[in-house]
Amino acid sequence: DQQVKQNSPSLSVQEGRISILNCDYTNSMFDYFLWYKKYPAEGPTFLISISSIKDKNEDGRFTVFLNKSAKHLSLHIVPSQPGDSAVYFCAASGLVSGGGADGLTFGKGTHLIIQP
Amino acid sequence: GAGVSQTPSNKVTEKGKYVELRCDPISGHTALYWYRQSLGQGPEFLIYFQGTGAADDSGLPNDRFFAVRPEGSVSTLKIQRTERGDSAVYLCASSASGTGNSPLHFGNGTRLTVT
Repeated sequence: DQQVKQNSPSLSVQEGRISILNCDYTNSMFDYFLWYKKYPAEGPTFLISISSIKDKNEDGRFTVFLNKSAKHLSLHIVPSQPGDSAVYFCAASGLVSGGGADGLTFGKGTHLIIQP
Repeated sequence: GAGVSQTPSNKVTEKGKYVELRCDPISGHTALYWYRQSLGQGPEFLIYFQGTGAADDSGLPNDRFFAVRPEGSVSTLKIQRTERGDSAVYLCASSASGTGNSPLHFGNGTRLTVT
């Protein structure tokens, strides 16, 4: 039973446009949400996070939105750049996750492709 | 500063053999995690250390898998009698506290192939 779902395996966006990656979760006990970016042959790299007490967090070109009632979060990248092409993982944590309060439950990832 | 270091980066072994995978976390990070990522999946939790002790090993798939962190720094993941289904990328991560809302920092992983 997948507790964190990323329903789009891939997404293609033109350079300069907005990329929107979506994530849904089922467990209401999750209280911290993160996005990781992964290039081939490298480990996931932390990108941005949001606590359940907020509904938006912004860092440069990256903004994460959280809708707790819908159990949905999204990552917006604007403007999209070629270097943004990577696999993006949504992750959630809370005391229900494996591995202490920081342990993460991951989605399957979305492969973002930025077209020149 | 140095990130999480994992060795080897690639390991090919025959079915039935024993393997050890090493993780060197970020200096000062008390929490250490092992994850496994299979093709087309997100990383899946295996085990979590707080200091020297395994605080949560509920993700280990069976008793062929074992991990240690004897001095609270470097950790070794050990797999006995390897099976082809163990083939995956094994990721190690560390965090500053493990007590909540502290991002995990991942190494580049060890790609294990069991033939």
